[in-house]
Amino acid sequence: EIVLTQSPATLSLSPGERATLSCRASQSVSSYLAWYQQKPGQAPRLLIYDASNRATGIPARFSGSGSGTDFTLTISSLDPEDFAVYYCHQRINWPRTFGQGTKVEIK
Amino acid sequence: EVQLVESGGGLVQPGGSLRLSCAASGFTFSNYAMYWVRQAPGKGLQYVSDISGNGHSTFYANSVKGRFIVSRDNSKNTLYLQMGSLRPEDMAVYYCAREDGYNYYLDYWGQGTLVSVSS
Repeated sequence: EIVLTQSPATLSLSPGERATLSCRASQSVSSYLAWYQQKPGQAPRLLIYDASNRATGIPARFSGSGSGTDFTLTISSLDPEDFAVYYCHQRINWPRTFGQGTKVEIK
Repeated sequence: EVQLVESGGGLVQPGGSLRLSCAASGFTFSNYAMYWVRQAPGKGLQYVSDISGNGHSTFYANSVKGRFIVSRDNSKNTLYLQMGSLRPEDMAVYYCAREDGYNYYLDYWGQGTLVSVSS
């Protein structure tokens, strides 16, 4: 089973600041990695797929990079609606796995 | 409009069974693989199971293998999760989600149904 480790667990930032979230895989997932956003009481929403492609309707301030075992989600300038929990997810093999999440909170 | 609506959650005793359903609408259900993902209270997302569009291929997390069975009825546009030998650690909100047929990620999610396991 591929383990995805996200860091940091919590990121405290102010609106307008840049957020950089990390996801590291225990073995290569090539580029088969996605990022999801989840707000309290809501289902997750797909943000980024195949490491660097924005899903439909996702603002350009969200970007993803990486391949192999190291991936980054960057939010270039935090909007108040971006404070949420972010999860990475791999689909290269079964069982599918998720990272444990990074909470982006208002400083 | 794509809609996924889960049902069947509730309180069950340890060792008990429960069947979850996910009613799908707004797309050709049989063309898409479907997933179950759960989230324990205050915790992160955990993959549970998935099933191919025709129902011939099924996959499970190690933690539920042998206890849960995923199935679908394409004539009813419904996904199921039969859960048995339930444990306290199975308590969670269970989401169904659709796998995008082009990029193979989870593009639509239901709002979830809560399963509580307690005596």
